[in-house]
Amino acid sequence: DAKTTQPPSMDCAEGRAANLPCNHSTISGNEYVYWYRQIHSQGPQYIIHGLKNNETNEMASLIITEDRKSSTLILPHATLRDTAVYYCIVAGYALNFGKGTSLLVTP
Amino acid sequence: NAGVMQNPRHLVRRRGQEARLRCSPMKGHSHVYWYRQLPEEGLKFMVYLQKENIIDESGMPKERFSAEFPKEGPSILRIQQVVRGDSAAYFCASSLRTSGEATGELFFGEGSRLTVL
Repeated sequence: DAKTTQPPSMDCAEGRAANLPCNHSTISGNEYVYWYRQIHSQGPQYIIHGLKNNETNEMASLIITEDRKSSTLILPHATLRDTAVYYCIVAGYALNFGKGTSLLVTP
Repeated sequence: NAGVMQNPRHLVRRRGQEARLRCSPMKGHSHVYWYRQLPEEGLKFMVYLQKENIIDESGMPKERFSAEFPKEGPSILRIQQVVRGDSAAYFCASSLRTSGEATGELFFGEGSRLTVL
């Protein structure tokens, strides 16, 4: 019952922007888009979330399309420490994490 | 301000024994969530609790698993008569949940890794 689709893996050069896409065509009106990441087997780390408008914080930017069927997480200047699995989740409060995108930042 | 604390970090049990996993949320947080992560899988929601109340247990297996969050003390995830398939990492998260439907930011612990022999 996956509600999001993400590429399984991506590479990004250190210092460049990492753009991670997510499709969520069945999102409903009251569901938010959340992004978390998990480094190795640590507990997931919250990155950002949004409903309709684009959002930005100190870690990343979230761009949500007008029809809300897809979004993009942008890490503006990727570092080696950003290598992790990134999860895009749409939900009210019961967040189910899919397989995510494994981002590898290379020197 | 200490983060979400889980213990034990590692637990080994034999089939048929009981496993108890504890979670102390961040100070001031009254909402606790438990997740299970099987090897090579994403995290799956199990249960959402507030103090003394189970709000949503739709992700909990129907048998052998239970959770509580008493007025005083940590939240407990209890697994009775463990089987090998219960081997997984169990993560706890807490939140303030200040707005309507949104969880906002969930703060996760480092997880408890259960191995069933």
